Amino acid sequence: AQSVTQLDSQVPVFEEAPVELRCNYSSSVSVYLFWYVQYPNQGLQLLLKYLSGSTLVESINGFEAEFNKSQTSFHLRKPSVHISDTAEYFCAVSDPMFSGGYNKLIFGAGTRLAVHP
Amino acid sequence: DGGITQSPKYLFRKEGQNVTLSCEQNLNHDAMYWYRQDPGQGLRLIYYSQIVNDFQKGDIAEGYSVSREKKESFPLTVTSAQKNPTAFYLCASGGGRDYEQYFGPGTRLTVT
Repeated sequence: AQSVTQLDSQVPVFEEAPVELRCNYSSSVSVYLFWYVQYPNQGLQLLLKYLSGSTLVESINGFEAEFNKSQTSFHLRKPSVHISDTAEYFCAVSDPMFSGGYNKLIFGAGTRLAVHP
Repeated sequence: DGGITQSPKYLFRKEGQNVTLSCEQNLNHDAMYWYRQDPGQGLRLIYYSQIVNDFQKGDIAEGYSVSREKKESFPLTVTSAQKNPTAFYLCASGGGRDYEQYFGPGTRLTVT
C-alpha cells in the first residue's frame, strides 16, 4: 500500500533563513503529488502540486518542490521564510490502487514549521 | 463565493450521544470526503462518496455513518460507538480529473 513519510515532525528556523521540508513516498508507479498548508484551527489549503511535466513546481508565495522519481521524494523548499509561513505542512500522494475515477489521497503525518524572529 | 462550509466550528457533546457534522459544497464536485485529524497523525480517511446515494468506507469508518442524498451535502454522524470521538474533522470535495481536494474549515468536536 502507498505510504507517505514526512521525515521531520517539527522544523524550527529563523526568519529569512532557507528551509526544506522532506517528503518521501513508497510507490514507484506514477503518482500525483501535493503539498498542503494548514494554519491553526483551519482547513488545508493547496500550496502546490505535481501532476506531470516539469519536475520543479512553484507556488505563488515563494515555495517550490521538486519531484524526484528515482528517490521517490517531493521535498518542499523556500529560500527565505517569513514569520507568516509558520504553519503545519502536509505532503500527499495519490493512491495508485484507487479505482473508480476519483482520487484518494494518502497524507503524511505533517511537519510543523516554526519561524522565529 | 465557491467553496466548502462546515458547521459548527466547535461542537461539544456528552459521551453516549450521537452528533452530526455538516458539510456543504457549491463547487459542483462529484466526490466528497471526510477526514479525521489528530495531533501527529496527519489525516485519516473516514468515508468518501463519489456520487449521490453512494459512499464507501475509508480507513477508520467504525463508529461513523454518512449519507449523500444531495450532491452538495455530505453530513457525518459520529455515533456513540466511536470510542475516541474527540478530534478535528475535515470535509473535502474533489472534481476528479485534477486530483486536487478542496477542504472546508473543519469542525472541532469535544466529547466529555
